Amino acid sequence: EAGVAQSPRYKIIEKRQSVAFWCNPISGHATLYWYQQILGQGPKLLIQFQNNGVVDDSQLPKDRFSAERLKGVDSTLKIQPAKLEDSAVYLCASSPTSGAYNEQFFGPGTRLTVL
Amino acid sequence: AQRVTQPEKLLSVFKGAPVELKCNYSYSGSPELFWYVQYSRQRLQLLLRHISRESIKGFTADLNKGETSFHLKKPFAQEEDSAMYYCALLARGAQKLVFGQGTRLTINP
Repeated sequence: EAGVAQSPRYKIIEKRQSVAFWCNPISGHATLYWYQQILGQGPKLLIQFQNNGVVDDSQLPKDRFSAERLKGVDSTLKIQPAKLEDSAVYLCASSPTSGAYNEQFFGPGTRLTVL
Repeated sequence: AQRVTQPEKLLSVFKGAPVELKCNYSYSGSPELFWYVQYSRQRLQLLLRHISRESIKGFTADLNKGETSFHLKKPFAQEEDSAMYYCALLARGAQKLVFGQGTRLTINP
């Protein structure tokens, strides 16, 4: 089966600019996750969707980050305006549902550099 | 709050030697624990999960609730085991995975 797709793979922007990332999960997977992975750290969940509803966005900096999953399939994550500390790899993952038995399948990530 | 600690950022062993990657967690309830692995130029992927009590690629991990640990072990390391390993915790009833900082394992020939 095709894996989780993400684009772009790399993005370089200047601080205060805006950026958007796109994710296409595995077909049929109801749950979609966005993680932020700063260099030297493990992934940190930013937001989790179940179909097109938000399950958890407690760690999403809502003053600058937004995400949507229209129609319960593809998702976009936006940063506006970007700060230097947003430099990280942004990972998208999907799973059939959620919970201990459900493996999360990760995309290749988007590496964001904010100058 | 849930927390996962992997005390070793880097671990280097020789091929054929035993490997143990340490993972300690902080959680007041009964957690579900996982090990994820990222090989060079590949995606992050699930290696094994506590609830399945499985052995994958020769790796095993036992949950020790008394020591709040979930160390990953393999009796004889192979060069293809070189990768980044992340321990992760799922709180029961919750849906959010909390990851440790990761350990980079290098197997020397």
